[in-house]
Amino acid sequence: GAGVSQSPRYKVAKRGQDVALRCDPISGHVSLFWYQQALGQGPEFLTYFQNEAQLDKSGLPSDRFFAERPEGSVSTLKIQRTQQEDSAVYLCASSLEQDTDTQYFGPGTRLTVL
Amino acid sequence: GQNIDQPTEMTATEGAIVQINCTYQTSGFNGLFWYQQHAGEAPTFLSYNVLDGLEEKGRFSSFLSRSKGYSYLLLKELQMKDSASYLCAVRGRDDKIIFGKGTRLHILP
Repeated sequence: GAGVSQSPRYKVAKRGQDVALRCDPISGHVSLFWYQQALGQGPEFLTYFQNEAQLDKSGLPSDRFFAERPEGSVSTLKIQRTQQEDSAVYLCASSLEQDTDTQYFGPGTRLTVL
Repeated sequence: GQNIDQPTEMTATEGAIVQINCTYQTSGFNGLFWYQQHAGEAPTFLSYNVLDGLEEKGRFSSFLSRSKGYSYLLLKELQMKDSASYLCAVRGRDDKIIFGKGTRLHILP
């Protein structure tokens, strides 16, 4: 595709429910990043993949958050036992290499936990 | 710790010039980015500075002073479509990118 895509665009979950958010990066992009953006804030780093390897997960807020990229392309961010504080926009970004200038962002998934 | 500061909101008039400042304290420095984000949309890349000085790209320019931990984004000939949030972001020593909270720019006709 032409850009990074994410699905679903909107997700409403009941507290305690598990959710899975999908990211399709730009074809050929080696690096993939997940960010969490609360309302009125900048994106906050969650985790980073280079191909299928998760090189940095220091931003994941708790062990309820898990991300994978098993074949080095599509990535899934899973949140178990969602809490209200998990409500945010989850942004995925990809770049050709980890140290290139530009990360290209997807449209995000807006998660609302009731 | 790591910190990126930028004004929360700014207002400017259509056709005018506005400068959005950003100061940072980070663990190492491997470049500074400016992104534009319209409400409900993804951030889009505007500029990248790794050396001191001014980078000009059309109506937008970005300046960096590494010794001062300071950058600004300059927008000229403002248009209504420039109403958006502008995010300053720094890549640290570990290549992780840290974003500021963003500056909401309001353009008045």
